[in-house]
Amino acid sequence: SAVISQKPSRDICQRGTSLTIQCQVDSQVTMMFWYRQQPGQSLTLIATANQGSEATYESGFVIDKFPISRPNLTFSTLTVSNMSPEDSSIYLCSVGLAGGRDTQYFGPGTRLTVL
Amino acid sequence: AQKITQTQPGMFVQEKEAVTLDCTYDTSDPSYGLFWYKQPSSGEMIFLIYQGSYDQQNATEGRYSLNFQKARKSANLVISASQLGDSAMYFCAMSSGNNRKLIWGLGTSLAVNP
Repeated sequence: SAVISQKPSRDICQRGTSLTIQCQVDSQVTMMFWYRQQPGQSLTLIATANQGSEATYESGFVIDKFPISRPNLTFSTLTVSNMSPEDSSIYLCSVGLAGGRDTQYFGPGTRLTVL
Repeated sequence: AQKITQTQPGMFVQEKEAVTLDCTYDTSDPSYGLFWYKQPSSGEMIFLIYQGSYDQQNATEGRYSLNFQKARKSANLVISASQLGDSAMYFCAMSSGNNRKLIWGLGTSLAVNP
């Protein structure tokens, strides 16, 4: 497996502002993903973070709202831009390991509340 | 279409007893993986167990076992000797195809009673 950390662990933000969430892995990984989990819901994939190129976004998610960076194989950021109360969620990053049977390992999550 | 179905929104079990959490899946891909994750109230997502579509035996990991019935397209999680710390949300997920994305069920909330 891999050790994954996320910062911040939680935050309370005002509408119209932006928050950048960091995801750090203790080893180089090929695949990194960002998920959103709205209250009481299952996980929804936002995008696959690609090292050295633009992220691949899922339907319903756009780069202007959720810009993602992945400068190397151990680090990624997700920004939630121009936030509204509907963005209140847990944001999780996950990694897939080479030869790892598609198993994804998750960071501890960032609990975001937008007022 | 690929889909994961968890029909039990909530389950209760007495401490030290076994409990089965249901999961059915749908895919036309002959190669796929099935996963169970645990999410405590803290929010982290913890990987529990994996079953590959070509695996001959049911997966086991400590107190967790996966009852894989391929013909029925079911992948139920069995937790033996439940503990209070098992109280959490449990999600079933599936991967298929080449993109390594996971498809998620809606989850089952498990409460272990003392």
